[in-house]
Amino acid sequence: SQQGEEDPQALSIQEGENATMNCSYKTSINNLQWYRQNSGRGLVHLILIRSNEREKHSGRLRVTLDTSKKSSSLLITASRAADTASYFCATDGLGGGTSYGKLTFGQGTILTVHP
Amino acid sequence: DTAVSQTPKYLVTQMGNDKSIKCEQNLGHDTMYWYKQDSKKFLKIMFSYNNKELIINETVPNRFSPKSPDKAHLNLHINSLELGDSAVYFCASSHQGGKAFFGQGTRLTVV
Repeated sequence: SQQGEEDPQALSIQEGENATMNCSYKTSINNLQWYRQNSGRGLVHLILIRSNEREKHSGRLRVTLDTSKKSSSLLITASRAADTASYFCATDGLGGGTSYGKLTFGQGTILTVHP
Repeated sequence: DTAVSQTPKYLVTQMGNDKSIKCEQNLGHDTMYWYKQDSKKFLKIMFSYNNKELIINETVPNRFSPKSPDKAHLNLHINSLELGDSAVYFCASSHQGGKAFFGQGTRLTVV
C-alpha cells in the first residue's frame, strides 16, 4: 500500500511566491526525504530529515517533520520558474533487514512556477 | 561523470520479447535499487541489492530478474514482456540506506 500522501496534487504560483507542499505517512520512519523530478528526468535528492529532527534548512528549502502527526512539509521560498517540477516525499521506514534503505514514495506534487 | 547511469534510455519492444536494462554507479555505494514509475508518476520499489546480495524483493512477477555482477552494477532482465510492463524504470544507489541517487530512467514501451 502507498505510504505517503501528498497535498496538494498540483500547485500553481507566480515567481517570487512561496510554495508549500505537505506529505503524510503511515508507519514509523528512520528518516523522510524530499526529491524533485523534472519532466522526463530522474529524481534529484533535495533534503533528508531524520526522525529525531523537527526542522531542516537548505538554501531556499525548509522542511519540517512532525512524527506525532506523521507529516512533513516542504517550503520553497522565493520560487523561480526553474523550480517547476514534481516534488516527492519518501520515507525510509524502521526495521532494517529487508527494509534496508527501502524508500516508499508519495504520489507527488506538481509545482508550476509562472515567470 | 554520471553518478548513476542506466541504458538504454528508451526501449520499445513487442509483447513476448525478453529485454534487459543495465545500471552502473560510480559512487562506491553498497546498495542499489530498481524502482518502477507508472503512468500516474507513482514510484514503487522493485528490488534492492546490498553488496551484491538481494535484500528487497517486492511483489514483482517472476518474469523480472535482477542480477548484480558486482557492487557497481545492477541489471534488470525482463522475460515475456507484457503491455502492463510499460513504465519508466529507475535505477538508484545509496550508501547504507539514506540519500539515494537516481539514474535518468529507462522508458519501456511494450507494443
